[in-house]
Amino acid sequence: AQSVSQHNHHVILSEAASLELGCNYSYGGTVNLFWYVQYPGQHLQLLLKYFSGDPLVKGIKGFEAEFIKSKFSFNLRKPSVQWSDTAEYFCAVNYDQGNLIFGKGTKLSVKP
Amino acid sequence: GAVVSQHPSWVICKSGTSVKIECRSLDFQATTMFWYRQFPKQSLMLMATSNEGSKATYEQGVEKDKFLINHASLTLSTLTVTSAHPEDSSFYICSARPGITEAFFGQGTRLTVV
Repeated sequence: AQSVSQHNHHVILSEAASLELGCNYSYGGTVNLFWYVQYPGQHLQLLLKYFSGDPLVKGIKGFEAEFIKSKFSFNLRKPSVQWSDTAEYFCAVNYDQGNLIFGKGTKLSVKP
Repeated sequence: GAVVSQHPSWVICKSGTSVKIECRSLDFQATTMFWYRQFPKQSLMLMATSNEGSKATYEQGVEKDKFLINHASLTLSTLTVTSAHPEDSSFYICSARPGITEAFFGQGTRLTVV
């Protein structure tokens, strides 16, 4: 079955630390990949997306993600987190333009 | 963990008819539910925010009379696509929040209008 795995349920970092959130998806053909963020009290917002081309994708707020096809991964990174990055992060995958499948989310807490 | 059930998973309807999609939080009370829509090869678009017992807040460009949202209880929100047309064909997904932090997603509904 098609699925998306996010490895960490809750990550706690201090400001200025580097961030990497893992996302793996099961094999299933052509994929479109997304990272969404949900800040406390708000709805989902798109951070970045990958459809094709350069596997290193840059998004808003200094986030980037790298699509590694051989590893079925699309990890999210940020070199230096800020307190305002405290939020929940969701990886999502479209298989062959079908339904969007979400990971369970990773809660990020950044200590000031 | 918390479960959000969305029903149906897929539906095909004739142009001009109405379709109701249900979003239920199975093991928690959801004070807020969100309805999203995804077009092919695009990201999710927030349609509306639904608060229990009050009118939904629609995003700009979303027709309130076409996409009727009812959040009648703390565990159920419904989205009714009225007088559906082929351009309404899309993937609709809801999410529910028990508080102000975590969100849980339904499995989505694939609507095809023929």
